[in-house]
Amino acid sequence: GAGVSQSPSNKVTEKGKDVELRCDPISGHTALYWYRQSLGQGLEFLIYFQGNSAPDKSGLPSDRFSAERTGGSVSTLTIQRTQQEDSAVYLCASSLVSGGLLNYGYTFGSGTRLTVV
Amino acid sequence: TQLLEQSPQFLSIQEGENLTVYCNSSSVFSSLQWYRQEPGEGPVLLVTVVTGGEVKKLKRLTFQFGDARKDSSLHITAAQPGDTGLYLCAGASNTGKLIFGQGTTLQVKP
Repeated sequence: GAGVSQSPSNKVTEKGKDVELRCDPISGHTALYWYRQSLGQGLEFLIYFQGNSAPDKSGLPSDRFSAERTGGSVSTLTIQRTQQEDSAVYLCASSLVSGGLLNYGYTFGSGTRLTVV
Repeated sequence: TQLLEQSPQFLSIQEGENLTVYCNSSSVFSSLQWYRQEPGEGPVLLVTVVTGGEVKKLKRLTFQFGDARKDSSLHITAAQPGDTGLYLCAGASNTGKLIFGQGTTLQVKP
């Protein structure tokens, strides 16, 4: 598609349940990123996939968080045993990265608003 | 750890006024980007600055990258209500990852 697509757009879940968030990046973009944003705040880095390289997982807040990217395209962010502090907007972005350099900006999806009750 | 500090965090001004948002770090970045975000949407790229001392203009917006590539500023001339939103600066590391500042919420009143 023309943009980055995220689903669902909203998710309400009970504390302790697992959730899966999906991201469809722009076709041909080599890099895919997940960020988390609390209301009106900046973006907190979670994980970064670049081509066939091992993902940069340095931003994942706990081992309840994991992500995978299948076939160099679609990515799924999974949060196990959700807690109330996991409530936030989860943003996915994709970009072109060459030689380790970000040549263009990120294109973001509209995000998934996760509410844990 | 690379960090970016934005100031001010919140700005409320009248239509027609000028404003400047600052983005500072102790780290050097290969490039610095500015994004604007509206409620319910993802951030949208406004500009990328790459060279130390670089100045870019987009209509009423002027972006500057510091000589040492550690800081940047965004200046808006004659702000309009349509400029209202969250402005984010982001520094690119040498691995292609962006580090974001905390954001500046701008409200322009008619």
